[in-house]
Amino acid sequence: SQTIHQWPATLVQPVGSPLSLECTVEGTSNPNLYWYRQAAGRGLQLLFYSVGIGQISSEVPQNLSASRPQDRQFILSSKKLLLSDSGFYLCAWSWGGEQFFGPGTRLTVL
Amino acid sequence: QKEVEQDPGPLSVPEGAIVSLNCTYSNSAFQYFMWYRQYSRKGPELLMYTYSSGNKEDGRFTAQVDKSSKYISLFIRDSQPSDSATYLCAMSPGLASGSRLTFGEGTQLTVNP
Repeated sequence: SQTIHQWPATLVQPVGSPLSLECTVEGTSNPNLYWYRQAAGRGLQLLFYSVGIGQISSEVPQNLSASRPQDRQFILSSKKLLLSDSGFYLCAWSWGGEQFFGPGTRLTVL
Repeated sequence: QKEVEQDPGPLSVPEGAIVSLNCTYSNSAFQYFMWYRQYSRKGPELLMYTYSSGNKEDGRFTAQVDKSSKYISLFIRDSQPSDSATYLCAMSPGLASGSRLTFGEGTQLTVNP
């Protein structure tokens, strides 16, 4: 069966610091991968999606970037965090219509 | 105007009640419809997945799609306190590689024992 991992689970970072969140998927090949952000009490905002290694599409212009160095690895990064980057970051994978989500990373920028 | 509208609630019901959760949408290209359940501080979990119009039942859960009205529903029978969560509807026009889901904002449900 397929499993999706995200780490860290919780992160507190100062404004201006860098960020690296990692997501890996097990049990499937060539999945579509997605990064979402969910603000408190709000819906899901799609940030990036990838249909293959090195192929990244950005949905929202901002100070975040994503990379896919391996088939089942998706990384979300920032060089300098802003207060507005705080939120719940979710990675998801799909191999058809349904998307399956990871456990999420709760990021607080102080 | 948002492509998908979902009443955020909160919705509070007694244990055993029938719950109806709904979403409306404006994009007639949507063909695939999903319901996710999200417990506090957890990732969304896929509950139901339907294609085009009709009903789909899975245990206490029934998903209903009315494409003519651009309206989808999730019914929960014999609701339990463990059903307390935020329910998100999501939809997509197709299954092509990279297809994106459009989500509602979620309805917060509390089932009181």
